[in-house]
Amino acid sequence: IAGITQAPTSQILAAGRRMTLRCTQDMRHNAMYWYRQDLGLGLRLIHYSNTAGTTGKGEVPDGYSVSRANTDDFPLTLASAVPSQTSVYFCASSSEYGDTQYFGPGTRLTVL
Amino acid sequence: KQEVTQIPAALSVPEGENLVLNCSFTDSAIYNLQWFRQDPGKGLTSLLLIQSSQREQTSGRLNASLDKSSGRSTLYIAASQPGDSATYLCAVFKAAGNKLTFGGGTRVLVKP
Repeated sequence: IAGITQAPTSQILAAGRRMTLRCTQDMRHNAMYWYRQDLGLGLRLIHYSNTAGTTGKGEVPDGYSVSRANTDDFPLTLASAVPSQTSVYFCASSSEYGDTQYFGPGTRLTVL
Repeated sequence: KQEVTQIPAALSVPEGENLVLNCSFTDSAIYNLQWFRQDPGKGLTSLLLIQSSQREQTSGRLNASLDKSSGRSTLYIAASQPGDSATYLCAVFKAAGNKLTFGGGTRVLVKP
């Protein structure tokens, strides 16, 4: 069982480009989350989804969009990347709302 | 706004000593509190989840307590080992907004 996979592992991106970070889980969890982790700011929630077909905004949603077409996948899209979006991005999932969250290995994104 | 604080930011102990990690939060209306471990360059690994109605939770050498009224949780790691060296993060889950708010973490070094 892989748990949560994220792709790519790392990426260098020119400002203004569009980028989609992929996240897939094989645990049949209903809830999924996207966080960014920045030095000095810790982990902050970007978007979440309580179940397939629904999404919600977290603490820092501006510049990001998500979709949840099925249970397993929760892609995060940067429509037009900016340098302030340089960060490590973590996807997580939980069986239900409020349960233990399981994290993926992260994607290190650099926007130049 | 919920704020989560972890003090100290870093801790170094000799192998075999017990570890005591502190977490405080400002809003006591929490759903649960979760402790995670993060190794350098890796994702987060869930250690313990304490429901708001519980006072403690144990798993092997780990014991976490929760005092919701005073806004505090403590993670105890008995008989520390060099493999316990990592950053430990606490996070509180609040029902509104499906939000897990993280502390800044305590970086632990266990010296052989």
